[in-house]
Amino acid sequence: DIQMTQSPSSLSASVGDRVTITCRASQGIDDFLAWFQQKPGKAPKSLIYAASNLQSGVPSKFSGSRSGTKFILTINSLQPEDSATYYCQQYKFYPLTFGGGTKVEIK
Amino acid sequence: EVQLLDSGGGWGQPGGSLRLSCAASGFTFSTSIMTWVRQAPGKGLEWISTISSSGKDSFYADSVKGRFTVSRDNSKNTMFLQMNGLRAEDTAIYYCAKDDRLDHWGQGTLVTVSS
Repeated sequence: DIQMTQSPSSLSASVGDRVTITCRASQGIDDFLAWFQQKPGKAPKSLIYAASNLQSGVPSKFSGSRSGTKFILTINSLQPEDSATYYCQQYKFYPLTFGGGTKVEIK
Repeated sequence: EVQLLDSGGGWGQPGGSLRLSCAASGFTFSTSIMTWVRQAPGKGLEWISTISSSGKDSFYADSVKGRFTVSRDNSKNTMFLQMNGLRAEDTAIYYCAKDDRLDHWGQGTLVTVSS
């Protein structure tokens, strides 16, 4: 199974900051990587697919990149409404697997 | 607009059964892969099962293989998850999602397994 190692598990940042979350795959998954945002009590929401493609309707402050098996989610100009838990997911191989999540809090 | 409506959750006894449904609208269901994901209380996301667009192929997590069965009725734009042999560790919110990249999600339905 592909292991998705996500870091950090939590972070606290100020309004206006740029935040980066990293996800590393245990083996090559090409660009088959998605990012999700989940707010408390809500279903996850797709932000990015194919490593760097923004889902329709998602603000351009969110971006994704890839370097080998390392994937990065960047959130520019952090706002209070960005407070959430973020997950990565690989969909190259079954079983589909998720990272452990990163909880983003606003200072 | 893509909409996915999960239903069928509730309370089940250990060893018992439940059947979840996912009603889809706003896209061509019959050509879409569909997926079930669950989230135990306070935990992360766990992939459960994916079914091909035709329903001929399905994939399962080891944790549910042999106990859960995914199916679909393309004439009714609905996917199902038959859950047998329920265990306490199956307690979770169950979400259906579109495709294997999970580009749209249902609102979730809570399954509680307890005696």
